[in-house]
Amino acid sequence: AQSVTQPDIHITVSEGASLELRCNYSYGATPYLFWYVQSPGQGLQLLLKYFSGDTLVQGIKGFEAEFKRSQSSFNLRKPSVHWSDAAEYFCAVGETGSYIPTFGRGTSLIVHP
Amino acid sequence: EAGVTQSPTHLIKTRGQQATLRCSPISGHTSVYWYQQALGLGLQFLLWYDEGEERNRGNFPPRFSGRQFPNYSSELNVNALELEDSALYLCASRRGGGNSPLHFGNGTRLTVT
Repeated sequence: AQSVTQPDIHITVSEGASLELRCNYSYGATPYLFWYVQSPGQGLQLLLKYFSGDTLVQGIKGFEAEFKRSQSSFNLRKPSVHWSDAAEYFCAVGETGSYIPTFGRGTSLIVHP
Repeated sequence: EAGVTQSPTHLIKTRGQQATLRCSPISGHTSVYWYQQALGLGLQFLLWYDEGEERNRGNFPPRFSGRQFPNYSSELNVNALELEDSALYLCASRRGGGNSPLHFGNGTRLTVT
């Protein structure tokens, strides 16, 4: 069965600093991978997705993620964080034939001025 | 294009009562998913409906049930409410099956007292 691990429950960065949020998955074949962001009191918004092809994926709001099969990772990055990026971030994996995405427990991003 | 809409935004019930949550998917989307987001537990898959049929359900007791209507809208029913049912209930939709990204509503906050 597929699983997703987000090792960091909380991440604190200063505004303007770079950001990397970790995501590791467990799945035999090539998974479908997603990153979502959830602001307080809101639903989840899709940041980016990986299905196949180029392993570096560009998303909205200046985010990118890199799929590394050898490390079973799909880490989210942003070169310069803005205060408005403070939110909860979820990594999710989909499995061919299952159609039920599995979500990690989320990483809470705190941005200091 | 209108997004996924959920109603009500907030719902307060007493233990033992029943709750009904509603969801309207994005136009053209035939699949509806329900997730429970309890504090500290991430997103737990509840139910998946596609073309009016229940396709899969998560590890929840039978008192969690739902249905999908001919216009693809959906409702989630929770009977015999328990205190631990207090959570944010998120509805998501996507076009058909497959592994395209889910599009989420803003959720219904259910509080059981």
